[in-house]
Amino acid sequence: SQQGEEDPQALSIQEGENATMNCSYKTSINNLQWYRQNSGRGLVHLILIRSNEREKHSGRLRVTLDTSKKSSSLLITASRAADTASYFCATNNNAGNMLTFGGGTRLMVKP
Amino acid sequence: DAGVIQSPRHEVTEMGQEVTLRCKPISGHDYLFWYRQTMMRGLELLIYFNNNVPIDDSGMPEDRFSAKMPNASFSTLKIQPSEPRDSAVYFCASSLRGGGETQYFGPGTRLLVL
Repeated sequence: SQQGEEDPQALSIQEGENATMNCSYKTSINNLQWYRQNSGRGLVHLILIRSNEREKHSGRLRVTLDTSKKSSSLLITASRAADTASYFCATNNNAGNMLTFGGGTRLMVKP
Repeated sequence: DAGVIQSPRHEVTEMGQEVTLRCKPISGHDYLFWYRQTMMRGLELLIYFNNNVPIDDSGMPEDRFSAKMPNASFSTLKIQPSEPRDSAVYFCASSLRGGGETQYFGPGTRLLVL
């Protein structure tokens, strides 16, 4: 089973609204990352949050991490049509160099 | 920086044929990862290298798959013989350091095995 599971699997909103995606994981982590994938493209790194951090911002992105609940959320504020993509969380456990990706949330932002 | 480069971008082949996918990581990155993405299974790590040495190949589905990294700027993923269930998008990614740091993905190779 996958380490990270995103929720919801799909999300459709209007331009200007905020989008919130959640990620749950099972084992202790070193860090958690969020990636974006546009259709037919590779994944692009958005933000990394370490296990000792609770919140991080980057532009219109806000990521929170709750290690007690083994969960993270990605908030995109004032969404734009260009934000339409799939968003993946990826976790790195304390043991090694690998990332384990969740199944992703497909976000559609309607103009 | 050119980013991670993969070739070919698309490959259509017939069952039983050999397929070779190529990757050039970002210069200076010590880690290289091969992933496979399908609708059913999502993004799966196949194998990763550190300083050209394969470290973990536990994700390689079977002996038909092999990967090499002859030097710091080139890696191949080979499937021989290919089967229809190998149809997927294959991504290469590189990172500067280990420890689960940021990975930079290539555009992927979309493979269709008929």
